Amino acid sequence: KAGVTQTPRYLIKTRGQQVTLSCSPISGHRSVSWYQQTPGQGLQFLFEYFSETQRNKGNFPGRFSGRQFSNSRSEMNVSTLELGDSALYLCASSQDSLSYEQYFGPGTRLTVT
Amino acid sequence: QQQVKQSPQSLIVQKGGIPIINCAYENTAFDYFPWYQQFPGKGPALLIAIRPDVSEKKEGRFTISFNKSAKQFSLHIMDSQPGDSATYFCAASRDNYQLIWGAGTKLIIKP
Repeated sequence: KAGVTQTPRYLIKTRGQQVTLSCSPISGHRSVSWYQQTPGQGLQFLFEYFSETQRNKGNFPGRFSGRQFSNSRSEMNVSTLELGDSALYLCASSQDSLSYEQYFGPGTRLTVT
Repeated sequence: QQQVKQSPQSLIVQKGGIPIINCAYENTAFDYFPWYQQFPGKGPALLIAIRPDVSEKKEGRFTISFNKSAKQFSLHIMDSQPGDSATYFCAASRDNYQLIWGAGTKLIIKP
């Protein structure tokens, strides 16, 4: 089976712009989670989607949003980018339950200038 | 109560040594404790996981030790190799809730 894929792998944006990141889960996986990873903060949970519904949400401002399509592919959007949004954004998929056996993609490295 | 505290932050071990990474938690409702390994430029990969009904689990050179009364669990890497150099994360969760992650340990195995 193909692994979790994320596009694009690298992105440079300017403060105030918005960005959309994409994640394709492993075939058959219905749950997709998004994380922000920074050197100082480790892995911070953003949100999780299951069957096109947001099931869990972390403590991030409303500028961070996501959605999931019927084929389980997911997108994450960040509006009004701030310098502090520079991070590695990771997507993880799991078969059904959020907390067990998550498989991560390589991430999208976002740099905000 | 939701935190998972991981130590040390970084660790340097000679090849063949046994690095030990520790994690502590407060929430006794946690029922799943995985360890993830992350290489530079890659996403974390599930290494090994344990449930609180067992005190130890081995997979190859990797062992999780679990102490329910102390609310601690640790990762041991036997016969460590330079290829084990990576960042290791512990995590914990309960039911269908999201994983709570430790801060990570950067491990370097010197040849």
